[in-house]
Amino acid sequence: GDSVTQMEGPVTLSEEAFLTINCTYTATGYPSLFWYVQYPGEGLQLLLKATKADDKGSNKGFEATYRKETTSFHLEKGSVQVSDSAVYFCALTNSGTASKLTFGTGTRLQVTL
Amino acid sequence: DGGITQSPKYLFRKEGQNVTLSCEQNLNHDAMYWYRQDPGQGLRLIYYSQIVNDFQKGDIAEGYSVSREKKESFPLTVTSAQKNPTAFYLCASSIVSQGSNQPQHFGDGTRLSIL
Repeated sequence: GDSVTQMEGPVTLSEEAFLTINCTYTATGYPSLFWYVQYPGEGLQLLLKATKADDKGSNKGFEATYRKETTSFHLEKGSVQVSDSAVYFCALTNSGTASKLTFGTGTRLQVTL
Repeated sequence: DGGITQSPKYLFRKEGQNVTLSCEQNLNHDAMYWYRQDPGQGLRLIYYSQIVNDFQKGDIAEGYSVSREKKESFPLTVTSAQKNPTAFYLCASSIVSQGSNQPQHFGDGTRLSIL
């Protein structure tokens, strides 16, 4: 079945540091890929998405490129802020009209001053 | 503003008791989903529904039940058969579109605890 693997957290960075959170996936066919962010005590918010190979999703300074050859969708940001501290989930959907999501286990990011 | 409303935010269950979590959306989405989140784990799908009066089991449906009588509403009942119900429950919805995978939109969750 489909699966998503994320790097273990927590990731601790100083403000303005460069962020990479690795995500790789296993899926048949042509999945769509997503990054969601969860702030403490809240639900998930869609951060960015990519629906086909070589697409780059971007939002709020975050970027991720859909790499079919390496089955990866790594999240990057050039300069993190304290307000970026949250849990980040990589996910895919590969079920046609059902849009069922398969999630990674999440990576906690903590940004300090 | 359109969105998904989950209530209550916090819920406590006594042993042997059924409890129902509410999920309402005004996004006019056809599909709705329930997930369970445990500490340090990703989200696991409990049930989903693509159309009114129809729903399917997800990966961990045992001990849960749902109904979909209205497009806007997808309540989840945690029954006494669910032996480990303490978790954070998230409801989501999405457009149903042939040939493309649509993102899901999430509510703010309900945290269920056992008394």
